[in-house]
Amino acid sequence: AQSVAQPEDQVNVAEGNPLTVKCTYSVSGNPYLFWYVQYPNRGLQFLLKYITGDNLVKGSYGFEAEFNKSQTSFHLKKPSALVSDSALYFCAVAAGPGAGNNRKLIWGLGTSLAVNP
Amino acid sequence: DVKVTQSSRYLVKRTGEKVFLECVQDMDHENMFWYRQDPGLGLRLIYFSYDVKMKEKGDIPEGYSVSREKKERFSLILESASTNQTSMYLCASSSPLGGRTEAFFGQGTRLTVV
Repeated sequence: AQSVAQPEDQVNVAEGNPLTVKCTYSVSGNPYLFWYVQYPNRGLQFLLKYITGDNLVKGSYGFEAEFNKSQTSFHLKKPSALVSDSALYFCAVAAGPGAGNNRKLIWGLGTSLAVNP
Repeated sequence: DVKVTQSSRYLVKRTGEKVFLECVQDMDHENMFWYRQDPGLGLRLIYFSYDVKMKEKGDIPEGYSVSREKKERFSLILESASTNQTSMYLCASSSPLGGRTEAFFGQGTRLTVV
């Protein structure tokens, strides 16, 4: 079965420190990988995606993610965290027929990031 | 910028009422989705539509129906609201064309059924 795991429910970092939010996946075929962020009582906002090409993907608000095929991971990173980065982060993956239309998006359960001043 | 607009941010309804949640997108996207979000359960797909009048059941369609009469509008209907349908409902749209595969979300509707 296809799945996405975000192994940490919560991540705490100090402002100015680098942050990593982890995501691993298990799918058949080549994956489409996404990161979204959700601020309190809001909808989700797209951060970045990997479809093909360079394994390091840069996205909005200074975030980046690295696709690692051998480890089936797509960890979200930022070199220097801001208090305003505090939010809920979701990883999602699609693969196989229909992957391009998001019909078969599989979502992680989310990781709550808290950046402390 | 893509805009996905949900008709209500907060809604309180009584058990047994018929509830309509409306969603409109302005980017001519083919695909539209309804999700519900609950703590500890993440996002779960209720229904998906890939064209006008076309729909597919998602993972949790029971107790819900949808309507897509126009490309820009996708409605979620709770036929007879129940307390276990208290949740955050998220609408999204996307297009499989042009490589822009990411979904764009509305601000969410927090529904409370009493």
